[in-house]
Amino acid sequence: QVQLQESGPGLVKPSQTLSLTCTVSGGSISSGDYYWSWIRQPPGKGLEWIGYIYYSGSTYYNPSLKSRVTISVDTSKNQFSLKLSSVTAADTAVYYCARVEGSWGFDYWGQGTLVTVSS
Amino acid sequence: QSALTQPPSASGSPGQSVTISCTGTSSDVGGYNYVSWYQQHPGKAPKLMIYEVSKRPSGVPDRFSGSKSGNTASLTVSGLQAEDEADYYCSSYAGSNNFHVVFGGGTKLTVL
Repeated sequence: QVQLQESGPGLVKPSQTLSLTCTVSGGSISSGDYYWSWIRQPPGKGLEWIGYIYYSGSTYYNPSLKSRVTISVDTSKNQFSLKLSSVTAADTAVYYCARVEGSWGFDYWGQGTLVTVSS
Repeated sequence: QSALTQPPSASGSPGQSVTISCTGTSSDVGGYNYVSWYQQHPGKAPKLMIYEVSKRPSGVPDRFSGSKSGNTASLTVSGLQAEDEADYYCSSYAGSNNFHVVFGGGTKLTVL
């Protein structure tokens, strides 16, 4: 059974960089069978896709966030990470990592981690 | 890319059927058979309920079904049960060159 777990600071100051890591267990990122993704959900609002990464390092980002987002992968640790720069209060959200199945659905999700942007 | 359009709310009594719509464009819902539906209970992560428009992952009850016509996809929940009360989100693949995905705004399903 694949499991994903997000980790990182729960509080980030405005203008700083948000950094999160997703640790995958029960499956190998380097198998190349799946893409791996970050998705966020502001409090009381809907889901927003942030981007994907493949084990090779290929990335695809939401155009609305592309200038501020970097997703990277560390296959030796079976982890992938998110960096979001120049954050504002609008970036306050629960951040989820998820596995992307073959037809672009997200079939396994982490529990989510709340990141608050505040001074 | 714009979010897909879902009604903010839907409701039905136990045992009834409810259908939730998800409207996009020919660049997303209408262009690919890659529509997914997710169920989210309060404080929980979303759960994949339907993929590829109408396929159910293992363990999802057959009371949940999906369909698509043109630029609109639909999720039908038959034989409503109390535990079906949740938020439901659709998503669609939205690009052959850039592998983008777009979500709907979500629908709150209330079991009366």
